[in-house]
Amino acid sequence: LAKTTQPISMDSYEGQEVNITCSHNNIATNDYITWYQQFPSQGPRFIIQGYKTKVTNEVASLFIPADRKSSTLSLPRFSLSDTAVYYCLVGDSNDYKLSFGAGTTVTVRA
Amino acid sequence: SAVISQKPSRDICQRGTSLTIQCQVDSQVTMMFWYRQQPGQSLTLIATANQGSEATYESGFVIDKFPISRPNLTFSTLTVSNMSPEDSSIYLCSVGHPGANVLTFGAGSRLTVL
Repeated sequence: LAKTTQPISMDSYEGQEVNITCSHNNIATNDYITWYQQFPSQGPRFIIQGYKTKVTNEVASLFIPADRKSSTLSLPRFSLSDTAVYYCLVGDSNDYKLSFGAGTTVTVRA
Repeated sequence: SAVISQKPSRDICQRGTSLTIQCQVDSQVTMMFWYRQQPGQSLTLIATANQGSEATYESGFVIDKFPISRPNLTFSTLTVSNMSPEDSSIYLCSVGHPGANVLTFGAGSRLTVL
């Protein structure tokens, strides 16, 4: 599994857009990029997955440049209740044994 | 996606005892996994729960300490044996979705060992 690097923590303010960048320099051709969100006292929850360019759903957008060596998770209009740890993972469609890094703790300040 | 129920949600246990955590899924799933999340840490895969055969353990985890059962495609148990304070963690059950490396997690079972 390709290794990922992301900031340990970030601060944001209510109503702001939050962008978290993840580096995955050794991503393989068949690898997808997947992001999870974990609130305190809960299990991680799938947010979004992409392979290249841009993917958008009702929760977030995922931007992936052409070289796919990094990706940026964009969360619009962050609120206090969005304070969580965000994990970036890379693997192919058969990689169910997910390897979680430290994740990025995003703290929203009022 | 699948809905996962874990029991107990939390427990306080005495050193040297064992506790069994149950994971119930609302649909039949092929892939089921157990993770551990130590306080303030990320998730670590313990094992893959295989239906009808012995679980497949990751490096650093052994069957004697973490016996796993998987009697059918909707249920699994993880036992934490002979507990010590170092076993205080959140234990999470998860299931995989065919064709995409996406997991659905249960809410976790928070164990505190005194």
